[in-house]
Amino acid sequence: DAGITQSPRHKVTETGTPVTLRCHQTENHRYMYWYRQDPGHGLRLIHYSYGVKDTDKGEVSDGYSVSRSKTEDFLLTLESATSSQTSVYFCAISGESVRNTIYFGEGSWLTVV
Amino acid sequence: TQLLEQSPQFLSIQEGENLTVYCNSSSVFSSLQWYRQEPGEGPVLLVTVVTGGEVKKLKRLTFQFGDARKDSSLHITAAQPGDTGLYLCAGGVGGSYIPTFGRGTSLIVHP
Repeated sequence: DAGITQSPRHKVTETGTPVTLRCHQTENHRYMYWYRQDPGHGLRLIHYSYGVKDTDKGEVSDGYSVSRSKTEDFLLTLESATSSQTSVYFCAISGESVRNTIYFGEGSWLTVV
Repeated sequence: TQLLEQSPQFLSIQEGENLTVYCNSSSVFSSLQWYRQEPGEGPVLLVTVVTGGEVKKLKRLTFQFGDARKDSSLHITAAQPGDTGLYLCAGGVGGSYIPTFGRGTSLIVHP
């Protein structure tokens, strides 16, 4: 198994509060991704990073920000959580080739009430 | 707009039956991966295909990559209850290295 750790694994928070999800990898992979998974939508890319301090938006980036100050850590922040952000969030990593496998973390279940 | 279309979305079959899941795009895949996801867990890689026309076998699972690298299929022979799960295709489309996922096929195999 790829060394990917997500924290917290489960969180319940109130609407309007900030939330930060952390992804930590021990594989020294260049690319890191945050996806959300919702019924009927599959996995949708929120943000990704292609190096320290190098990040870009995915297809569903509104309401989310990310930071990568170290190779091994990729943080996803919901500045002001909304109920529509209730979802399962997956961090993933991959190497530099388009043929590289994407390895996933175990997921973070977020409920916004 | 979904770049990768998977079909069928749901599949409920009896143990011992065969099935095929499809993944299609209007764009050319740089490479394509198939993943399986069980409830409460992250997707796990089954196979990567990179060459047009490629066929890979993994026990009872057969993966095909279309000659034009725009489509792929996953065929399961003699399905077992342990095959139950969500099957996802993903790939770099149009030369992009950013993986795009299909919506998945939810498979249930009844004993």
